Amino acid sequence: QLLLQESGPGLVEPSETLSLACTVSGGSISSGSYYWAWIRQPPGKGLEWIGSISNGGSAYYNPSLKSRVTISVDTSKNQFSLKLSSVTAADTAVYYCARRGGGSSYYYVDVWGKGTTVTVSS
Amino acid sequence: EIVLTQSPGTLSLSPGERATLSCRASQSVSSSYVAWYQQKPGQAPRLLIYGASNRATGIPDRFSGSGSGTDFTFTISRLEPEDFAVYYCQQYGSSFIFGPGTKVDIK
Repeated sequence: QLLLQESGPGLVEPSETLSLACTVSGGSISSGSYYWAWIRQPPGKGLEWIGSISNGGSAYYNPSLKSRVTISVDTSKNQFSLKLSSVTAADTAVYYCARRGGGSSYYYVDVWGKGTTVTVSS
Repeated sequence: EIVLTQSPGTLSLSPGERATLSCRASQSVSSSYVAWYQQKPGQAPRLLIYGASNRATGIPDRFSGSGSGTDFTFTISRLEPEDFAVYYCQQYGSSFIFGPGTKVDIK
């Protein structure tokens, strides 16, 4: 069973960089034609896709966040990571790491981490 | 950019009743890229439907999806107590976009 686990600071100061990692267990991040994604959910609100990366390192981002986001993958650690710079209170959210399945035929998110709460505050 | 609208915002029903949820896109989208998720409080979303009408692995057949173009529908044929939750539709154009959600609560 594939499991994803987010890790990182729960509190980030305004203007700083939010950094999270997602560790994949129960399978290799390098196997199959999957993309690995970050999705967030502000308190009481809906879901917002941040971006995705392939195991080969091809990344694409939400246009509204693109200037501040970097997603990277470390296949040796079976991990992928998120960096979001210049954070404000609006970036306070539950951050989920996830797997995008479906290959080239379908687009959906079929495996989710439990999520980690990140608060931006001084 | 495509915008997804879900209606109603809240649906109040009793166990055993039928729930019909709507997801409308601001422009035509491929049905292959439409998915539906269930989210309960404090939990991550769970994939229910992909490709507009295909149930994900392990999803009961009381859940179904249909639609094409700009209009998609998600149906729960008979609500079970564990089905009361928020439901999101999703589509993919040049990026993933989620709808605002429909909350199905107990009447």
